[in-house]
Amino acid sequence: KQEVTQIPAALSVPEGENLVLNCSFTDSAIYNLQWFRQDPGKGLTSLLLIQSSQREQTSGRLNASLDKSSGRSTLYIAASQPGDSATYLCAVNPSGTYKYIFGTGTRLKVLA
Amino acid sequence: SAVISQKPSRDICQRGTSLTIQCQVDSQVTMMFWYRQQPGQSLTLIATANQGSEATYESGFVIDKFPISRPNLTFSTLTVSNMSPEDSSIYLCSAALISRTDTQYFGPGTRLTVL
Repeated sequence: KQEVTQIPAALSVPEGENLVLNCSFTDSAIYNLQWFRQDPGKGLTSLLLIQSSQREQTSGRLNASLDKSSGRSTLYIAASQPGDSATYLCAVNPSGTYKYIFGTGTRLKVLA
Repeated sequence: SAVISQKPSRDICQRGTSLTIQCQVDSQVTMMFWYRQQPGQSLTLIATANQGSEATYESGFVIDKFPISRPNLTFSTLTVSNMSPEDSSIYLCSAALISRTDTQYFGPGTRLTVL
């Protein structure tokens, strides 16, 4: 059974710092992996989608990497801003299905 | 991409009552899903809403408690029946586009509080 874990559960950093959020999954047979942002009381916004054949994806200050063999993905946020404060969720799409299995999330707070 | 709207955005309900949540997508989608996010927890898939047939429920969720309809390709409803305080959660609808089946788009969620 696929399980997705995110570490740390919460993170507080000063503005301008570069940071890394971690996601690990137990079954390497995945179709893709997606990073989402969730603002308090709101839905999810997709940040980056990495297909199983890809190693990384970049969007602006965000870079996500994928290492299927080790069951790990990282989300790198460069030059963090207070507006980046949110919960970041990692979700794995197991092969051949549309179902996503979500991680526990990392609650990020960027201090001005 | 797809824009997904949900109604209501939030509600406070009494124990024993039922609430129906609506989900509308602005594009034709192949699949629609309903998730629950309990306080402090991550998202858990409730069911897949199938057009023209009964929804497919995940382990731990049953049709009597969470009846789902999907009358067409762009609309679905989830009813939370006979509510108890344990049903207090955010309920999210998501959809996968016919043209982009490798990703899901999420609605803003419905925050439900049961007293």
